[in-house]
Amino acid sequence: EDQVTQSPEALRLQEGESSSLNCSYTVSGLRGLFWYRQDPGKGPEFLFTLYSAGEEKEKERLKATLTKKESFLHITAPKPEDSATYLCAVPRPGATNKLIFGTGTLLAVQP
Amino acid sequence: EPEVTQTPSHQVTQMGQEVILRCVPISNHLYFYWYRQILGQKVEFLVSFYNNEISEKSEIFDDQFSVERPDGSNFTLKIRSTKLEDSAMYFCASRGGRATYEQYFGPGTRLTVT
Repeated sequence: EDQVTQSPEALRLQEGESSSLNCSYTVSGLRGLFWYRQDPGKGPEFLFTLYSAGEEKEKERLKATLTKKESFLHITAPKPEDSATYLCAVPRPGATNKLIFGTGTLLAVQP
Repeated sequence: EPEVTQTPSHQVTQMGQEVILRCVPISNHLYFYWYRQILGQKVEFLVSFYNNEISEKSEIFDDQFSVERPDGSNFTLKIRSTKLEDSAMYFCASRGGRATYEQYFGPGTRLTVT
């Protein structure tokens, strides 16, 4: 069964303390892995797409990487404004490519 | 930058009432989706829409739900007779075309059924 699992469920960091979030997936025929940021009461905000193992994408303090079984979202020297829930999703192969989401990692960065 | 918009941001309704949630997808996108997120749970797929018809629906999307694209810009989700368990955030998303898989989400409508 296609599924996405994220860990940890919650992560508390001090400002400037780098760390990584994990997303492991099982899907036949990967058509990309997406990272989103979700603020409380808001919709998922698109961050990155990764298509193949070894690929990396960067945006400000965030870097996403992909292997054949998992993806990491590395956060370098985070700031309080990076606090949010980070969601990982993969499209289920098929006519509609509906997204399968993980439960997310709630990141809190304290000043 | 183009974005998906949704109205209203918050809808409160009584059990058994009909609600219509509205979305304006990104212009020139071809695939449209509704997802929902019950508080504290995963974002889950409800329905996808392409070429003016439903292309896939989940088990949640029963006869009480319907979708429509009444004109070239709006995309609506109707719940005919709301239940308490329909309380959730509802997100509209759109995708550009067959060869692109990224989905862009709107800000959501918080539906509260009392």
